[in-house]
Amino acid sequence: EADIYQTPRYLVIGTGKKITLECSQTMGHDKMYWYQQDPGMELHLIHYSYGVNSTEKGDLSSESTVSRIRTEHFPLTLESARPSHTSQYLCASRDKWSYNEQFFGPGTRLTVL
Amino acid sequence: DQQVKQNSPSLSVQEGRISILNCDYTNSMFDYFLWYKKYPAEGPTFLISISSIKDKNEDGRFTVFLNKSAKHLSLHIVPSQPGDSAVYFCAASERGRDDKIIFGKGTRLHILP
Repeated sequence: EADIYQTPRYLVIGTGKKITLECSQTMGHDKMYWYQQDPGMELHLIHYSYGVNSTEKGDLSSESTVSRIRTEHFPLTLESARPSHTSQYLCASRDKWSYNEQFFGPGTRLTVL
Repeated sequence: DQQVKQNSPSLSVQEGRISILNCDYTNSMFDYFLWYKKYPAEGPTFLISISSIKDKNEDGRFTVFLNKSAKHLSLHIVPSQPGDSAVYFCAASERGRDDKIIFGKGTRLHILP
């Protein structure tokens, strides 16, 4: 059973606000990922991390930033939210020995007005 | 340019019959393929995978077939059950290159009573 959590599950905010989407996992996984998904579209990788103090940008350009100070925690921050940031954000993690089977959190649905 | 294509946005199948979900890919360097299942308001969950050295992998009611020459894979669910109604994502990766998984847009499967 995967233990990966995301908060908040739903967020509606106004333009210009700073927000942080939280992601935590209790499995001790080194690798963590953030995906962005719009309805009916594929998941796009926006950030990933191979471990503490490691962060990389994904294939889809994003104005968000991430940090990895602790193994279990991989928060995503938007300094100034815009309507174009409205989307679902999915966090995932995997054990380095379980090739490619990523465990996903329930997601955060963000709406920026 | 989409590297993983799921050309059927939706599929309806009678309960008890076989569901066949199709996926095509363009990158001949992909060597590992996965299927994920996603319910509304939840994150994707890993379903089944196949390495490029195989042409078939079976797990209970789920079987994935890989045709490398056609760059095509399919997921067979038999018999289909009401709980199988979900969105199914096909995904692929190139293990020797990096850690990234490329997802398709998904196919929404409806199991009819």
